[in-house]
Amino acid sequence: EDQVTQSPEALRLQEGESSSLNCSYTVSGLRGLFWYRQDPGKGPEFLFTLYSAGEEKEKERLKATLTKKESFLHITAPKPEDSATYLCAVQPQNSGYSTLTFGKGTMLLVSP
Amino acid sequence: DVKVTQSSRYLVKRTGEKVFLECVQDMDHENMFWYRQDPGLGLRLIYFSYDVKMKEKGDIPEGYSVSREKKERFSLILESASTNQTSMYLCASSSRGGSETQYFGPGTRLLVL
Repeated sequence: EDQVTQSPEALRLQEGESSSLNCSYTVSGLRGLFWYRQDPGKGPEFLFTLYSAGEEKEKERLKATLTKKESFLHITAPKPEDSATYLCAVQPQNSGYSTLTFGKGTMLLVSP
Repeated sequence: DVKVTQSSRYLVKRTGEKVFLECVQDMDHENMFWYRQDPGLGLRLIYFSYDVKMKEKGDIPEGYSVSREKKERFSLILESASTNQTSMYLCASSSRGGSETQYFGPGTRLLVL
C-alpha cells in the first residue's frame, strides 16, 4: 500500500529563519511526487512535480528535492506570506488513472 | 491558466436531503476527481472519472455517487446527507499522459445539520 508521511505536523518560524519540510514515501515505483500549498479554506495550489531521484525544482523561496525515499521542501528566508499548509502527494507507476496518495500536510506559520 | 470552479463555496443542508456539488474545468482534461478533506485525516479520494460517463470508486465512496455527462463537468451527489458528511469537498482535474498534475478548485465547505 502506498504511504506518504509528512513531518513535522506543524512548524513555526521567524521571518528569515530557513528550514525544511520532509515528505517520506513508500510506493511501488514512483511516477511523480507533487508538492502543493494550501491556504486556510481554499483548495490546494500546485507548486512542483519531481520525477526522479536527484531532481530539484525552485520557485522563489522554495526548493524541492527528491531522493528514492523522501522529498524535502526547503524554505529559504521565509516571509509571513509563506504561511500555509504544504501537502505532498505521490503517484505510483501503476496508477492507471493518475490518482494521488496524499500526506496529511505540514502547517507552516511564519511570524514577522 | 487552468481553472477549476465549484458551484458553491459554502453549503448548509439538513440530514436526509439530496445534495449536488458541481465542478467545472476549462482545460479539456480527461480526468476529474472528488476528494473530501477533514482535520487529521488529510485528503481522501471519493470518486474519479477518466472519461465522459466513466467513473471509478476511490477510497471512501460509501454514501456518494457521481455523474459525468460532459467532459468539463463532474458532479458529486450525496443521496441522503448525514452529519458525518460535513466536510470540505475538493474537486480536481488532470490531463491523461504528460505530467498528469491535478489542479484543484476552491472547495465547498458543506455543513449537514
